[in-house]
Order: sequence, then C-alpha cells, then structure tokens
Amino acid sequence: DVKVTQSSRYLVKRTGEKVFLECVQDMDHENMFWYRQDPGLGLRLIYFSYDVKMKEKGDIPEGYSVSREKKERFSLILESASTNQTSMYLCVTRDRNTGELFFGEGSRLTVL
Amino acid sequence: LAKTTQPISMDSYEGQEVNITCSHNNIATNDYITWYQQFPSQGPRFIIQGYKTKVTNEVASLFIPADRKSSTLSLPRVSLSDTAVYYCLVALSSNTGKLIFGQGTTLQVKP
Repeated sequence: DVKVTQSSRYLVKRTGEKVFLECVQDMDHENMFWYRQDPGLGLRLIYFSYDVKMKEKGDIPEGYSVSREKKERFSLILESASTNQTSMYLCVTRDRNTGELFFGEGSRLTVL
Repeated sequence: LAKTTQPISMDSYEGQEVNITCSHNNIATNDYITWYQQFPSQGPRFIIQGYKTKVTNEVASLFIPADRKSSTLSLPRVSLSDTAVYYCLVALSSNTGKLIFGQGTTLQVKP
C-alpha cells in the first residue's frame, strides 16, 4: 500500500522557534509538494520539488524553506515560526506517469 | 496554469442529488479535471477524473461540456457522510510543475 507519511500530526511551537515538518514517501515519486490549508482559503502551495535537490517556490513561499536531499524525503522548514503560520500543512506526492496524487494525513501546527 | 473557481459552500439534504460546478476558463488542451474529497483532519482523497463528456464511477459522475471551461461533479442521493470539502483540480496529467487547488466547496448535508 502506497504511503505518504508526515512526521507529526500535531505540533505546538513558540514564536521564533525553528520548525521542521518532515514528509516521507515510499513510492519513488519525483514530484513532492507542500501545501498549507486554512479555513476559507483552500489548499495553497508553499513549495514543490520535482527531483532530488530541486525545489521551486509555490504561491506563498515567504517564511518557509524546503530541503530535498533524498528522493523519499521532502522537508518543510520554518526558520522562525510566527503565529500566522499556525495552520494545517499537507504533503502531497505525484506519480509522473499517471498524474495521480497521494496525500499525507496532515500536520497541524500551532504557533503560540 | 488553469485557475479554478468553485462555490465556497453548499447545503443539501439527505437523499438529494448534489451538483458542484467548477469553472476553469483557461484550461489547456492537455489538462485533465480531477475532483477530490476531504474530511476534517484528513488529507484529500480522489473521487473522479475526466477529460471530456461524462465519466461515472461508483461514487460520482463528472460532466464536462464540449468547451471544457467548466465541469460539474454530481453526487447522487447524498448522505450525512458526504459532508466534506470538495476540490476541483485542473492539471496536465504528466505535469512536473505546480499544482494549484482552488478554494474548495464545503458541502453540508443535513438530515
């Protein structure tokens, strides 16, 4: 069974802390995406990666960075967390052959 | 990239048919249309995908007119468990670039 695993379902951090959100997939997919989801705003793309060490900005990259050192792992980094980054974060992978998307269960981050 | 527009919310009652329309005026020739369903605290899950005309599976139908500038997800005889957010996604199936979701439609099914 294919799987996209996000390291933490729930996190509580303080303003200014550095936060790592990890996403691991076991499907050998090149394409991986990080979204944040907020009420009334839908899914907004933060960053995506189409291969190891490759990354592209999405629509709302400010305040975030990413790392893709290995194909199976795509990390989202908040260098200095702020309260407006309180949100649900979703990792998504894409099968380049079929276009099918696979979603993680989400990581709910609260920044106090 | 095709931008999608959906109603923010819809209400329905159990047993009714629900139709949710998504507008995608600048859809490209090779783009497919995919609908996803998301329950609270879960990731979205695939419902149906189509390119043109009509597609039907065990849970829904997807109607796409000839100009492909919109699509309609049809849920027959909804139940309370169909209360969820529904997203329309328009993307090239082999796209390696951005995937842009719309705001989604929150469907509330009432007893």
